[in-house]
Amino acid sequence: DAGITQSPRHKVTETGTPVTLRCHQTENHRYMYWYRQDPGHGLRLIHYSYGVKDTDKGEVSDGYSVSRSKTEDFLLTLESATSSQTSVYFCAISESILEGEQYFGPGTRLTVT
Amino acid sequence: QQQVKQSPQSLIVQKGGIPIINCAYENTAFDYFPWYQQFPGKGPALLIAIRPDVSEKKEGRFTISFNKSAKQFSLHIMDSQPGDSATYFCAAGGATNKLIFGTGTLLAVQP
Repeated sequence: DAGITQSPRHKVTETGTPVTLRCHQTENHRYMYWYRQDPGHGLRLIHYSYGVKDTDKGEVSDGYSVSRSKTEDFLLTLESATSSQTSVYFCAISESILEGEQYFGPGTRLTVT
Repeated sequence: QQQVKQSPQSLIVQKGGIPIINCAYENTAFDYFPWYQQFPGKGPALLIAIRPDVSEKKEGRFTISFNKSAKQFSLHIMDSQPGDSATYFCAAGGATNKLIFGTGTLLAVQP
């Protein structure tokens, strides 16, 4: 998985609790992304980062925030988890915005009860 | 305009057959079209990608055909094998490298 780890790999949480997912890369790539994967929807971009402390929203950003204080770490936070955020979350990295290739981590399965 | 429509949703072929997965897009600003392969419990893995300046690209048994005027592209898997059984996603991206994914095709190759 191209030097990308995600933690935790599985999490069950209750509605209304905050949750933070971590993506860690060892490739020193500048660009990092958070996607969610749901049946019938493919992968949808939540947030992305184009450098340390530089982030922007994707197509499904409501209810999520991100932070990137170091090149290697990109955190996704659900401020108050809802059942609609039950999903599999993938982190991806990319070296160059021009080349386009994104490499994905192993994913985190999140269940909100 | 940001959608990428993928078909079929699922596909069953016999070993040695040539499954074809199709995608269509609307935004003419897209200039990068990758295909990803995903096995159960794993993250998507980049399989092959094409840019609009060519109409076809081959890598091993995998071929992308691209029709710029029709805004369509497709993945062909030659001599398919049971190990190719996976979910395949097409995607489209532009200058910002934000990819828009299709909804996926579940491929089963029967021995």
